[in-house]
Amino acid sequence: GAGVSQSPSNKVTEKGKDVELRCDPISGHTALYWYRQSLGQGLEFLIYFQGNSAPDKSGLPSDRFSAERTGGSVSTLTIQRTQQEDSAVYLCASSLEAGRTNTEAFFGQGTRLTVV
Amino acid sequence: AQSVTQLDSQVPVFEEAPVELRCNYSSSVSVYLFWYVQYPNQGLQLLLKYLSGSTLVKGINGFEAEFNKSQTSFHLRKPSVHISDTAEYFCAVRINNQGGKLIFGQGTELSVKP
Repeated sequence: GAGVSQSPSNKVTEKGKDVELRCDPISGHTALYWYRQSLGQGLEFLIYFQGNSAPDKSGLPSDRFSAERTGGSVSTLTIQRTQQEDSAVYLCASSLEAGRTNTEAFFGQGTRLTVV
Repeated sequence: AQSVTQLDSQVPVFEEAPVELRCNYSSSVSVYLFWYVQYPNQGLQLLLKYLSGSTLVKGINGFEAEFNKSQTSFHLRKPSVHISDTAEYFCAVRINNQGGKLIFGQGTELSVKP
């Protein structure tokens, strides 16, 4: 596609429900990153994929958070039993290859998650 | 551990005035440096990056930044701002041996007034 696509753009969910956030990277980009943007915490790294593997998931805040990537393309971030502190904008980015020197990460417009 | 500090959370400035957004970083290994801009309800857009070579880097929309290794700084500058530059600006470092993940500063909200 022309850019990184994230869906939904907005999601309101009740506390305790599970949510799935989707990221469709730029075609041909093998690296995919998830970040969270929240008030008071700024932009935090969550996890990245190179292909379908996740070499670094150190930023996932708890075991309620998980992510997968299939076919080296679309990725899904799942939050189980959502809590109010999960409310944030979740940003996805992709780049040609993780760790490649002269490469740029392109960001999607994010999914705004509100837990009520 | 690596960290990025943006010294000003908000910078108000009048149109056509110069502006400098400050960024300092801490890292024990070599890094690449970036500035991103986020317009309201948008994702992040790359303004400029420093990978190597000349320490003065020019980016889009008339912005430039200077890498200062001794002061571990990467301040962003523009000689004359426009109303359309109103946005949030993020400084980030990419650690060379950590898969390309970015560590961001807290952001600086630039507000340009007429």
